Amino acid sequence: QVQLQESGPGLVKPSETLSLTCSVSGGSISGYYWTWIRQPPGKGLEWVGYIYYTGTTNYNPSLKSRVTISVDTSKNQFSLKLSSVTAADTAVYYCARGPRSTVGGWFDPWGQGALVTVSS
Amino acid sequence: QSVLTQPPSVSGAPGQRVTISCTGSSSNIGAGYDVHWYQQLPGTAPKLLIYGNSNRPSGVPDRFSGSKSGTSASLAITGLQADDEADYYCQSYDSSLRGSVFGGGTKLTVL
Repeated sequence: QVQLQESGPGLVKPSETLSLTCSVSGGSISGYYWTWIRQPPGKGLEWVGYIYYTGTTNYNPSLKSRVTISVDTSKNQFSLKLSSVTAADTAVYYCARGPRSTVGGWFDPWGQGALVTVSS
Repeated sequence: QSVLTQPPSVSGAPGQRVTISCTGSSSNIGAGYDVHWYQQLPGTAPKLLIYGNSNRPSGVPDRFSGSKSGTSASLAITGLQADDEADYYCQSYDSSLRGSVFGGGTKLTVL
């Protein structure tokens, strides 16, 4: 079955750019939407944005000015970049498959999550 | 402040039935967009529990059920077990935000 794995630095300095990659195994990245979701410590889930395998993206309006999601179909990976980070961006970042369309759908499966701490 | 509103906590004794509500508005649940539910066990990633308002993925026990009416949705858990203790999140699409939205999460405690 499809499995997802996040990777990237666990510590990022304030004002710098957070970068994470999600590697997809057990299936092709083609034909699906792929999403980043984050969860600050002790808090709820926040949708960050998604990318279709063709490169079409949609971002959370509250993060849109700082977020870039890209896809590399040759490597079966997609990536997240979040610029000008602050302590408020400290969170566990999850990658997931979905949604099923541009107007909704569920996320399944999820990666195990990667904790990124923003601190000097 | 989450777009979808859930109670912060619910509790029940083993064997009992509990429900978790998810209240939205005319731009999300009330507009007809589907609601999905996730279970997050302590220290783990969320797992899809219910999709499309009331459908269970393979492997999810039929003790878990979902429903939707108007601008709200509900998750019901019957025959509560100790390992149901987790955080539960609802999720839908919002046409004003043009993206996915989550509820704030509900912590289920099995007494």
